[in-house]
Amino acid sequence: SYELTQPSSVSVSPGQTASITCYGENLGDKYAFWYQQKPGQSPVLVLYQDSKRPSGIPERFSGSHSGNTATLTISGTQTMDEADYFCQAWDSVTAGVFGAGTKVTVL
Amino acid sequence: QVQLVQSGAEVKKPGASVKLLCKTSGYTFSNYYIHWVRQAPGRGLEWMGMINPGGSNSAYGQNFQGRVTMTRDTSTSTVYMELRSLRSDDTAVYYCARLRGLRLRDRYFDHWGQGTLVSVSS
Repeated sequence: SYELTQPSSVSVSPGQTASITCYGENLGDKYAFWYQQKPGQSPVLVLYQDSKRPSGIPERFSGSHSGNTATLTISGTQTMDEADYFCQAWDSVTAGVFGAGTKVTVL
Repeated sequence: QVQLVQSGAEVKKPGASVKLLCKTSGYTFSNYYIHWVRQAPGRGLEWMGMINPGGSNSAYGQNFQGRVTMTRDTSTSTVYMELRSLRSDDTAVYYCARLRGLRLRDRYFDHWGQGTLVSVSS
């Protein structure tokens, strides 16, 4: 089955840049989507179509996609950005796949 | 505004079935697919399947084939997800989520329910 691989954790100092990668075979042929989830809350979309931000998502969230790796970057990380981040793609039209998630800790 | 409101927590014994609901409002029910995603305690998100409220066709993840059925009631704009033969590892929070669109670039979840905790224990 299709898999997306993310680092389990990323630590960042306030104001610094955090980068989270997501690797998948043939991910270069697909769009990547990113969700943020804080404890006890439902996931929230932070990036779609690799790098587009929904309304209400701060500009410090950005995305890129090179080859089979998609990257979510948080510039000027704030304590409120501490959360789990999941990448997601479609193995087929009817088979969604999530990465295992990356815990971002702001120290 | 778009809302997806899910039913309350459930406690089930192994082997039982559970049927969860996701009541939608604030948009045209038939125009958007609804997906189900679950999250075991301390774990990641797992895609379960989807239903087209406009046509009732559905598709399920390999891990759930034969054990899950998704249905809808257009009169109440509600989607149901039934999971059978429950096991302890089905203990999880189950979310419904609305798919923004069917074009590849629009295949993301733009609204989520609040989640329903299902606990399976003898």
